[in-house]
Amino acid sequence: EVQLVESGGGLVQPGGSLRLSCAASGFTFSSYEMNWVRQAPGKGLEWVSSISSSGNHIYYADSVKGRFTISRDNAKNSLYLQMNSLRAEDTAVYYCARAPPIGLDYWGQGTLVTVSS
Amino acid sequence: AIQMTQSPSSLSASVGDRITITCRTSQDIRNDLGWYQQKPGKAPKLLIYAASSLQSGVPSRFSGSGSVTDFTLTISSLQPEDFATYYCLQYYNYPRTFGQGTKVEIK
Repeated sequence: EVQLVESGGGLVQPGGSLRLSCAASGFTFSSYEMNWVRQAPGKGLEWVSSISSSGNHIYYADSVKGRFTISRDNAKNSLYLQMNSLRAEDTAVYYCARAPPIGLDYWGQGTLVTVSS
Repeated sequence: AIQMTQSPSSLSASVGDRITITCRTSQDIRNDLGWYQQKPGKAPKLLIYAASSLQSGVPSRFSGSGSVTDFTLTISSLQPEDFATYYCLQYYNYPRTFGQGTKVEIK
């Protein structure tokens, strides 16, 4: 069974940093592109970042470019999102999602990030 | 970035109704589009991929159609468990973009 479990969310002050993790199991992690998607309270879904299976190809939404860094450790079956210079508008539930060529097929349960003083 | 126009933003319907949600893209994406269902407090669930292919385990009352720039999600006979918010997603290129969502409520 495919499982994705996010962790690392919490309350952080504006300008602060946070590192999210996503632990994957039930599939060959190193074979799949992985993504982060977020959802602000009461709002729609927003794609944040993608990383290829090898980690060689990385993409970001303009809203986070230069502040967020996606990475992965295939030996540990783990995906990460380092978030720096956080702003109030980054407050959201952050989901990791598996991305075969058919889009995003499995999602984690999400982790809440709140940016507030 | 590819712009997604999803409509309607909300609709009220009764159990047994047939409903249709549309998604229009600002450029040709072939059939690289998926549909997702999200219930409150839960992660999105993939219903349809490649515009018209039913994800494993999804009831056959869900169907998708379209290509190029115009896409449709249809629920043939609405069930109580289908009241949720639905999103389209294009994965033709980066940045990936979602539609604004359609909230399906009970009439």
